[in-house]
Amino acid sequence: GAGVSQSPSNKVTEKGKDVELRCDPISGHTALYWYRQSLGQGLEFLIYFQGNSAPDKSGLPSDRFSAERTGGSVSTLTIQRTQQEDSAVYLCASGRTYNEQFFGPGTRLTVL
Amino acid sequence: DQQVKQNSPSLSVQEGRISILNCDYTNSMFDYFLWYKKYPAEGPTFLISISSIKDKNEDGRFTVFLNKSAKHLSLHIVPSQPGDSAVYFCAASLSGGYQKVTFGTGTKLQVIP
Repeated sequence: GAGVSQSPSNKVTEKGKDVELRCDPISGHTALYWYRQSLGQGLEFLIYFQGNSAPDKSGLPSDRFSAERTGGSVSTLTIQRTQQEDSAVYLCASGRTYNEQFFGPGTRLTVL
Repeated sequence: DQQVKQNSPSLSVQEGRISILNCDYTNSMFDYFLWYKKYPAEGPTFLISISSIKDKNEDGRFTVFLNKSAKHLSLHIVPSQPGDSAVYFCAASLSGGYQKVTFGTGTKLQVIP
């Protein structure tokens, strides 16, 4: 059984460039979350998709960040005009209920 | 505003002893609590959970205690094993449908052989 997958596993980019991070959730999971973990920090909530409802974007740190979820499945997190402070591990998780989330391995983003 | 707090960033315990990881929350509406474990270079994995209708839930070596009046929960690992060395995240949510889960900042546990 496939778990949550994320790509790329590592991304190095130059300051000012745009990046796209992909998440493939577990089939049938209606909830999808994006988090990030900066060095020495905890899990910071970014955005939450639930079925066809409007996403909860309350955790996005700036308007440079956006996310889409197409067809209720794959999600893409886009960061425009990347800054060095965007360097972090970006984690995606999916689930069926509130009581458990299955996490992907994360994408390590480094902005030079 | 950190609604879920883990005030101890790290903890070291001897193998075979008890590990106690603590978590405090500020939102009294939270009624479902979870613990996740994270190894380096991997995503967090679910460990154990507890509903607010209970004050204790046990699963093998892992027990979670909930004190609603104090808005405090703890994870006990006994006996601790070197393989338990990881970062442990406390999380909280509202039940009754699909809800956002709020995570704490994590506690890094080191079990010394």
